[in-house]
Amino acid sequence: EVQLVESGGGLVQPGGSLRLSCAASGFSFSTYWMSWVRQVPGKGLELVANINEDGSEKYYVDSVKGRFTISRDNAKQSLYLQMNKLRVEDTSVYYCARLRYWYDSSGSISGYFDYWGQGTLVTVSS
Amino acid sequence: EIVLTQSPGTLSLSPGERATLSCRASQSVSSNYLAWYQQKPGQAPRLLIYGAFMRATGIADRFSGSGSGTDFTLTISRLEPEDFAVYYCQQYGSSFTFGPGTKVDIK
Repeated sequence: EVQLVESGGGLVQPGGSLRLSCAASGFSFSTYWMSWVRQVPGKGLELVANINEDGSEKYYVDSVKGRFTISRDNAKQSLYLQMNKLRVEDTSVYYCARLRYWYDSSGSISGYFDYWGQGTLVTVSS
Repeated sequence: EIVLTQSPGTLSLSPGERATLSCRASQSVSSNYLAWYQQKPGQAPRLLIYGAFMRATGIADRFSGSGSGTDFTLTISRLEPEDFAVYYCQQYGSSFTFGPGTKVDIK
């Protein structure tokens, strides 16, 4: 059974940092792209970042570029999101998700998310 | 960027009724790469449909997807009590875009 379990969320002040983790099990983690998707409670979904199988290719939504870093440790079957210079507008539930990818006509990564973790809440507030 | 519009915003139905949810794209979705997700309160989204009409693993056959180009539909043939939730569409023909969601609630 595929399982994704996030941890590391919490309350942080604006400008602060937080590191999210996602522990994966039940599938061959090192052979899949992985993603972080966030959701303001009661609102819609937004892709934050993607990472390829060996960590050599990464994608970020414009609003987090230069502040967030996605990484993975295949030996530990874990995905991470280092979040620096946090803003109030980063407040969301952050989900770890497995990406079934393809490259669109412009050569950009795309795909759908076939498994999701339960999410971890990040609150940025003074 | 492809913008997705979902209608209606809220659908109020009774168990046993048929639900028809619409997802419209601002431009044609390449290869009909459209997915549908279900999200219940306090839970993560769950993949229902990908490739416009392919049911994901373990998804009941009362859920079906159809459509092409810019107009897509998710149909729930007979609503079960556990189907009352929010449904999101997502296109992945060009980058990633999610729709704003349709809430299916109990009438």
